[in-house]
Amino acid sequence: NAGVTQTPKFRVLKTGQSMTLLCAQDMNHEYMYWYRQDPGMGLRLIHYSVGEGTTAKGEVPDGYNVSRLKKQNFLLGLESAAPSQTSVYFCASQRPGQGLETQYFGPGTRLLVL
Amino acid sequence: GQNIDQPTEMTATEGAIVQINCTYQTSGFNGLFWYQQHAGEAPTFLSYNVLDGLEEKGRFSSFLSRSKGYSYLLLKELQMKDSASYLCAVRGGSGAGSYQLTFGKGTKLSVIP
Repeated sequence: NAGVTQTPKFRVLKTGQSMTLLCAQDMNHEYMYWYRQDPGMGLRLIHYSVGEGTTAKGEVPDGYNVSRLKKQNFLLGLESAAPSQTSVYFCASQRPGQGLETQYFGPGTRLLVL
Repeated sequence: GQNIDQPTEMTATEGAIVQINCTYQTSGFNGLFWYQQHAGEAPTFLSYNVLDGLEEKGRFSSFLSRSKGYSYLLLKELQMKDSASYLCAVRGGSGAGSYQLTFGKGTKLSVIP
């Protein structure tokens, strides 16, 4: 049981390049999230998904696109990377339901855009 | 909207007790979470409060007052390995958004010998 995994762990991009970050979970969770974490800013929600084939915008969605073609995978795309997108990206998954339904985080992807 | 405040940094001595405060103003409330995040690692779940009062789990306790929009995380018998950032997060909103978490900026705790 690997939990939540993210690929790649680290990447350097040039301005204008594109890339896709992959998040995979083996816990059969319905909900998945993409966050970015910047110094002094905390975790901010980019996009999220409440089920296969559905996605929605979070707090900071501009410059990013997502897809959830399979329940276990949630992809985050950068079509034209900008230096402002230099950040650490965390994926999380969650089983729906109120109460003690916490989010489980992946190890993060460190992205540097030059 | 959501606004969550917590101190940026704190320092405490090994073996001591430290309290990390969190205040929030939210449009909805479905629970408050505390996460621990060691440098370079992912956040991990510590505690959850949805009703007023104290939840105790080993050396860690968390308190909630919904009327005051206030929570604290209490760490007892501090160990060097407790040096980490502690994130306060509120779950709120409506519909599918009611499962979303809004995070504070985190409190970096340094435990010194």
